[in-house]
Amino acid sequence: DTGVSQDPRHKITKRGQNVTFRCDPISEHNRLYWYRQTLGQGPEFLTYFQNEAQLEKSRLLSDRFSAERPKGSFSTLEIQRTEQGDSAMYLCASSLARTSGDEQYFGPGTRLTVT
Amino acid sequence: AQSVTQLGSHVSVSEGALVLLRCNYSSSVPPYLFWYVQYPNQGLQLLLKYTTGATLVKGINGFEAEFKKSETSFHLTKPSAHMSDAAEYFCAVSLSGYSTLTFGKGTMLLVSP
Repeated sequence: DTGVSQDPRHKITKRGQNVTFRCDPISEHNRLYWYRQTLGQGPEFLTYFQNEAQLEKSRLLSDRFSAERPKGSFSTLEIQRTEQGDSAMYLCASSLARTSGDEQYFGPGTRLTVT
Repeated sequence: AQSVTQLGSHVSVSEGALVLLRCNYSSSVPPYLFWYVQYPNQGLQLLLKYTTGATLVKGINGFEAEFKKSETSFHLTKPSAHMSDAAEYFCAVSLSGYSTLTFGKGTMLLVSP
């Protein structure tokens, strides 16, 4: 399977704990995105990378959230001191940068439940 | 800033009937428009996209959408619904020169036999 993969698929954690998610993009894609999706809503943009550079961060991304893409390949999203409001599906997507309208390919997501 | 409005959180059709899912956008510059489908416990799959050129766009699984600038709309249609089309559909917009997508809240398509 050469699609976008995410690990873990499900994570249950207690409030206050730290969690880390991993995303492996399609191998030739140079852009990688993180989105958050809550029940009944569409995905909301969090941040994106072009190669290893983090080019944009949403205001949704509080200082408890940090994302890295150290070698321009896989990426990690860490949430520190989790809160119940962090419970959501975290989606990763990748694309090959074009001059217009690059298509984003999404992974299956990591569902986070904070108890 | 751009935004997307999807009219109807749920749409029910009978198998074989026309599917029409509505999407209106707000954008200060010419937008790029996308439709994605999400099956339960899965990621989003791109159905079709509009960037420039022909305003009627054909996608996968028999879906198509028409960009109407005067109506700021990008409605998704399929002539004949199939049971396998039951899923949640998201309309999204991005701006020229930018990569990030702004999604609507989604429309759940229910298909009855």
